[in-house]
Amino acid sequence: QSVLTQPPSASGTPGQRVTISCSGGTSTIGSNTVNWYQQLPGTAPRLLIYGYIQRPPGVPDRFSGSKSGTSASLAISGLQSEDEADYYCATWDDSLNGHVFGTGTKVTVL
Amino acid sequence: VQLEQSGAEVKKPGASVKVSCKASGYTFTTYGVSWVRQAPGQGLEWMGWINPYNGNTKYAQRVQGRVTLTTDTSTSTAYMELRSLRSDDTAVYYCARDEGYTSSAFDYWGQGTLVTVSS
Repeated sequence: QSVLTQPPSASGTPGQRVTISCSGGTSTIGSNTVNWYQQLPGTAPRLLIYGYIQRPPGVPDRFSGSKSGTSASLAISGLQSEDEADYYCATWDDSLNGHVFGTGTKVTVL
Repeated sequence: VQLEQSGAEVKKPGASVKVSCKASGYTFTTYGVSWVRQAPGQGLEWMGWINPYNGNTKYAQRVQGRVTLTTDTSTSTAYMELRSLRSDDTAVYYCARDEGYTSSAFDYWGQGTLVTVSS
């Protein structure tokens, strides 16, 4: 049972903006940075956003991250068919003294 | 940067499994290695981390006592051994490069190793 809660699903048509939330607490998002991962079907996860808002080389600027209090969000603007994947937030938990992942959100492009 | 993992394993309940992760394309001792698993149809679960430079480890509470992370710096290979396997250990196991501080990102991942626990 994860300490980071995400909606199980999100969807949009091509070109739309989709936002995924990640809700934590004071020992997680409230005091540590958040990273986001994209997992395409049948593949390993890929780092999408680190340090709340930074994108690794090769990640389109359609993907952006933000944080407010004990929650974080991932936004996908200009949704494309290749964005259909599972998305996970992740951070450190000071109480568990370890990394934790969100419950995951499946994004569907209609 | 590449992380190449060993092949799929089938084990009986109570047995042990050891998965390898060979790193290339960077200096192995300058980054940590985390292990993450994913049960079928489920989310990601962090299992632990090792610093190849000094062998320091940190384990997730859920698997502590059953998992051991090691490295061989001569071959730039990290290992994850899980003992007393149960059916709910059936999962794809990933290694990932980890800078080793709290909230550090996992910037490169192995391809995954399927471990099936079945009698």
